[in-house]
Amino acid sequence: AQSVTQPDIHITVSEGASLELRCNYSYGATPYLFWYVQSPGQGLQLLLKYFSGDTLVQGIKGFEAEFKRSQSSFNLRKPSVHWSDAAEYFCAAANSGGYQKVTFGTGTKLQVIP
Amino acid sequence: GAVVSQHPSWVICKSGTSVKIECRSLDFQATTMFWYRQFPKQSLMLMATSNEGSKATYEQGVEKDKFLINHASLTLSTLTVTSAHPEDSSFYICSAPKGPTSGGELFFGEGSRLTVL
Repeated sequence: AQSVTQPDIHITVSEGASLELRCNYSYGATPYLFWYVQSPGQGLQLLLKYFSGDTLVQGIKGFEAEFKRSQSSFNLRKPSVHWSDAAEYFCAAANSGGYQKVTFGTGTKLQVIP
Repeated sequence: GAVVSQHPSWVICKSGTSVKIECRSLDFQATTMFWYRQFPKQSLMLMATSNEGSKATYEQGVEKDKFLINHASLTLSTLTVTSAHPEDSSFYICSAPKGPTSGGELFFGEGSRLTVL
């Protein structure tokens, strides 16, 4: 079955420190991959997406993600975290050729401490 | 950028009543919209795919008669929770794709929090 796994439920980092959120997927073929951010009580905002090509993807707000086929991973990174980055982050995947059924990971809640 | 709007953002209702949630694409047409449900501290679960001009496609385990979906126009899909009960309390989010199916992205509404007393 297709699945997206985010092994870390909750991560706490200090402001200014680097961040890496993990995401692994299980799909028959390489899917489209996404990272979304959700602030409390809000909808989701797309940070970045990977369809093909360069495996290092740049997104908004200084985030980037690297697709590693050998590890079935699509980890999200940021060199220096800001307090405003505190939110919940969802990794998601969809079959290539269409995104009708997007499968979301369980999310990672990021806490940023001063 | 593309915007998807949901209304209402918050709704409280008595058990047994029905609640309608609207999802609108504001600056683009969406022949397909998706409805998700998010339980506290959990991920989003796809409930159904709303198709303009045809019946919605429900995911396994989702009660069609409980969650009525209507996609009346290219910019509006509605989710009606019929005879709501406390266990239906949840955060409901809609999304719509913009552009061609290959390479587009999903735009999400702000979500609608339903509390059934």
